[in-house]
Amino acid sequence: AQKVTQAQTEISVVEKEDVTLDCVYETRDTTYYLFWYKQPPSGELVFLIRRNSFDEQNEISGRYSWNFQKSTSSFNFTITASQVVDSAVYFCALSEAYSSNTGKLIFGQGTTLQVKP
Amino acid sequence: GAVVSQHPSRVICKSGTSVKIECRSLDFQATTMFWYRQFPKQSLMLMATSNEGSKATYEQGVEKDKFLINHASLTLSTLTVTSAHPEDSSFYICSASGQVQETQYFGPGTRLLVL
Repeated sequence: AQKVTQAQTEISVVEKEDVTLDCVYETRDTTYYLFWYKQPPSGELVFLIRRNSFDEQNEISGRYSWNFQKSTSSFNFTITASQVVDSAVYFCALSEAYSSNTGKLIFGQGTTLQVKP
Repeated sequence: GAVVSQHPSRVICKSGTSVKIECRSLDFQATTMFWYRQFPKQSLMLMATSNEGSKATYEQGVEKDKFLINHASLTLSTLTVTSAHPEDSSFYICSASGQVQETQYFGPGTRLLVL
């Protein structure tokens, strides 16, 4: 069965600290896609990254970086030098290529990140 | 690019009335649109998937006669909450993708409050 687990419900850090948000997924598909979305207090989900299952290269985008490890079925997200504007709920999601759920996003429960000044 | 709008952003209505929410892809053609519902401090729950020109596919437990979805063009999908009741109060979010396996881009959401 497909599942996404974000074990950290809430994280609180002080500005400029680094923080890692964990994401573990389960799927039987060999081809799948992983995503991270940010949901600030305004409510809109902002797309951050998409990774396909054949691309295990880590990615860095400014202060954001992602570590994809198929061996542990994890797709963790690190924010370096966190800022108050990073405060939001972050969702990890999975989309399978060949199951009956093709195209659908399976979301984790979300991690609420609070960055204090 | 990949901008999705939703209208209205917020609506308050009386119990028994119907409410229509529009979702538009502004700068791309969306063959597939998705409608989600989100309760406070919870994750998103997929309600239905709509493909342009065909009937929507509803998730288990979602009443299709209660939540009417129309995807009449490649840039517009609508969700109508019929005979709304207080328990329908929620945050409704749509998303759109160009193709089935492409990234979903989300609208800003609609907060519905039924009195």
